[in-house]
Amino acid sequence: AQSVAQPEDQVNVAEGNPLTVKCTYSVSGNPYLFWYVQYPNRGLQFLLKYITGDNLVKGSYGFEAEFNKSQTSFHLKKPSALVSDSALYFCAVSALVNNAGNMLTFGGGTRLMVKP
Amino acid sequence: KAGVTQTPRYLIKTRGQQVTLSCSPISGHRSVSWYQQTPGQGLQFLFEYFSETQRNKGNFPGRFSGRQFSNSRSEMNVSTLELGDSALYLCASSTTLAGVYNEQFFGPGTRLTVL
Repeated sequence: AQSVAQPEDQVNVAEGNPLTVKCTYSVSGNPYLFWYVQYPNRGLQFLLKYITGDNLVKGSYGFEAEFNKSQTSFHLKKPSALVSDSALYFCAVSALVNNAGNMLTFGGGTRLMVKP
Repeated sequence: KAGVTQTPRYLIKTRGQQVTLSCSPISGHRSVSWYQQTPGQGLQFLFEYFSETQRNKGNFPGRFSGRQFSNSRSEMNVSTLELGDSALYLCASSTTLAGVYNEQFFGPGTRLTVL
């Protein structure tokens, strides 16, 4: 069975500073990893994914994530935070179930607060 | 392309009642998944449908059921509602048969409140 951990319930950062939202995972096979963002009263929006290849993945809105196999981590990063980045961020791992279909297992979420 | 739509957006029911939620996926997407989001349990997978067949089911009681129609639209039903069923129910759609590599696109959710 797969699992995802987001060790920080909340991350506070000043606007213009770099941000990191941490994620670690556990899977029995190849990890397929995703980051989603949720704004108030909205569904989840896809940010980026790691399937294979380069360990540094670039996504939407200037976000990127670094895959580290040895540390089983997939941390989300952004060089310069914006107030509008304030939201709830979810890390997820995708698993092939019964050789068909897919299922996302989510971490508990990290609330990012960017202060002016 | 229009995104994933869910109806209704808000619903208030009382214990013991049943409820049906609807989801229309992005045009061309054949996989539809449902998730429950609560403050205590977070985001949990309910089930996934592909071509009108349930492929996977999460660890939820039989009161939770779903179906998918030939146009890929999906409904989920919860019978004999309990207070603990109060949650945001999210529908997501994606492409292809083996969608493990593909991102899912989420609707805005249906907020269910059980009184």
